[in-house]
Amino acid sequence: ETGVTQTPRHLVMGMTNKKSLKCEQHLGHNAMYWYKQSAKKPLELMFVYSLEERVENNSVPSRFSPECPNSSHLFLHLHTLQPEDSALYLCASSQEGDSSRGELFFGEGSRLTVL
Amino acid sequence: GQNIDQPTEMTATEGAIVQINCTYQTSGFNGLFWYQQHAGEAPTFLSYNVLDGLEEKGRFSSFLSRSKGYSYLLLKELQMKDSASYLCAAMDSNYQLIWGAGTKLIIKP
Repeated sequence: ETGVTQTPRHLVMGMTNKKSLKCEQHLGHNAMYWYKQSAKKPLELMFVYSLEERVENNSVPSRFSPECPNSSHLFLHLHTLQPEDSALYLCASSQEGDSSRGELFFGEGSRLTVL
Repeated sequence: GQNIDQPTEMTATEGAIVQINCTYQTSGFNGLFWYQQHAGEAPTFLSYNVLDGLEEKGRFSSFLSRSKGYSYLLLKELQMKDSASYLCAAMDSNYQLIWGAGTKLIIKP
């Protein structure tokens, strides 16, 4: 138990569906992250919410849309995805503050399959 | 560009010692992190080095040489539960983590 909970753990969706991934952290952290993890590739940072301000990676397609209603909750809204978007999506949190950003607490991930 | 290199896979024997190497090239440097990830589970933080030298934490130790852009994770008295992927990440001048692809460690009896 890392203090970061992700739902659903597994999701299968068609390319025309709309779905959302949810993340909740119980650690009192003030920064939250979405990462994409594909087999044998480095973790790819998708989005960061830090002190309630969004820092966006410009290379993320618009079919991924994050939402952070408060410091404990983070969503990733998905629509018209492509098969290459199939991956493990990891949520993480940390305490904001220079090197503290490197000590991340991850959820167990949402395994997404796009058909 | 920024880059992290670590071996894709390593195999070691239960009770032995294994060293997982990581080399990095980043724009600026604010520390080197190691994470452990068991199959199907969340990555968990293992260690942080920002100064040269060896940091020991139980059976695990992490080493850093800033001048060489090099780190290693040393695992002693290997146990079957140490079978996992080990992720190396360097923090750049903007305090962003640059990740390696991970090293899958297989422990054999």
